[in-house]
Amino acid sequence: AQSVTQLDSHVSVSEGTPVLLRCNYSSSYSPSLFWYVQHPNKGLQLLLKYTSAATLVKGINGFEAEFKKSETSFHLTKPSAHMSDAAEYFCVVSDAGGTYKYIFGTGTRLKVLA
Amino acid sequence: DTGVSQNPRHKITKRGQNVTFRCDPISEHNRLYWYRQTLGQGPEFLTYFQNEAQLEKSRLLSDRFSAERPKGSFSTLEIQRTEQGDSAMYLCASSKGQGTGELFFGEGSRLTVL
Repeated sequence: AQSVTQLDSHVSVSEGTPVLLRCNYSSSYSPSLFWYVQHPNKGLQLLLKYTSAATLVKGINGFEAEFKKSETSFHLTKPSAHMSDAAEYFCVVSDAGGTYKYIFGTGTRLKVLA
Repeated sequence: DTGVSQNPRHKITKRGQNVTFRCDPISEHNRLYWYRQTLGQGPEFLTYFQNEAQLEKSRLLSDRFSAERPKGSFSTLEIQRTEQGDSAMYLCASSKGQGTGELFFGEGSRLTVL
């Protein structure tokens, strides 16, 4: 069965400094991996996805993530945080060849300090 | 129609009453998912459909919950004999393809059980 673990429930960074949100996954099959963002009182929005193509994936708003099979990780990074990045971020796994349900992590709340 | 639509957006009910939520997916999407999200948690998988077939239902879902997707178009999620623990945001998402594509989410239906 697939699962995903977000290693930090809260992350605080200063505006202009790098962001790192950590995610580890478990999957019986070749996984598809996603990062979604949820701003307060807003719907979930896709940031980026990995589906067995390039291991370094670029998404919207300057975010990117690297798929590392040996470490079963899919960490989300951004070189320079902006105040508007403050939100809840979810790492998601879907098993290709499995049940195709999308499993969400518990989320990481990103706080950006002025 | 350019997105996933959910109705009602808010529902307040008394314990023991039945409630029904409706989801209209993006028209060409064959897969439809229901999730539940409580405060501070990630979306929790409930069930999903491929066209009109319900392919999986979470073991966490009690018999009071039922979902349908007649004719593979809109879907309904019914909760019978509501309990205070059912209070949550109920999210609907749709996608196309084989379960590795982007999930498009609606704004959600917030249920409050008094």
